Amino acid sequence: DAGITQSPRYKITETGRQVTLMCHQTWSHSYMFWYRQDLGHGLRLIYYSAAADITDKGEVPDGYVVSRSKTENFPLTLESATRSQTSVYFCASMKTSASGEQYFGPGTRLTVT
Amino acid sequence: AQRVTQPEKLLSVFKGAPVELKCNYSYSGSPELFWYVQYSRQRLQLLLRHISRESIKGFTADLNKGETSFHLKKPFAQEEDSAMYYCALSSWGGSNYKLTFGKGTLLTVNP
Repeated sequence: DAGITQSPRYKITETGRQVTLMCHQTWSHSYMFWYRQDLGHGLRLIYYSAAADITDKGEVPDGYVVSRSKTENFPLTLESATRSQTSVYFCASMKTSASGEQYFGPGTRLTVT
Repeated sequence: AQRVTQPEKLLSVFKGAPVELKCNYSYSGSPELFWYVQYSRQRLQLLLRHISRESIKGFTADLNKGETSFHLKKPFAQEEDSAMYYCALSSWGGSNYKLTFGKGTLLTVNP
């Protein structure tokens, strides 16, 4: 299922460094999302985008920046990584607001040392 | 504020036994509810949504607005059902979309 991909799959970075996680989808879905998955917290929405150049904050946006210049890409940037941002990050897409179903990428495991 | 509660972090049953994964929600409007599943080393995928009323892999879930619940049930669990299950609620506030996940229940089906 190569419709939505994430890169890198694994990343180790140091505190204070900037890191960008990439997300790419081939379906031309309107909506894209970034979640983090942590033990005891489940999945929490970081940011989402309804279309190119339209983004909005989710539940836990602090310390993250997103952009969406093209429909198919939705990068997530940690401007100055902290240990608390060690997590598994999932990107997802959704065709339209009416479709309801989100399609998830394979995830990126990020470790901040 | 909307909230999704899955009271059981872990649930262990034997193969062939019935299984019920609980989900309760808090939402003032008309909710749209989902169950997502994550098998080991695989990505999250939609299992079912309440408006479709489908049965997927033998699982069903009924929305009970009176009890604000959306429990997932299967009459006879199989070993391949072992996975992490997430209940989720979606809503629109104006033009803002929100999908709130519960913390998940790890189901283990023992042989």
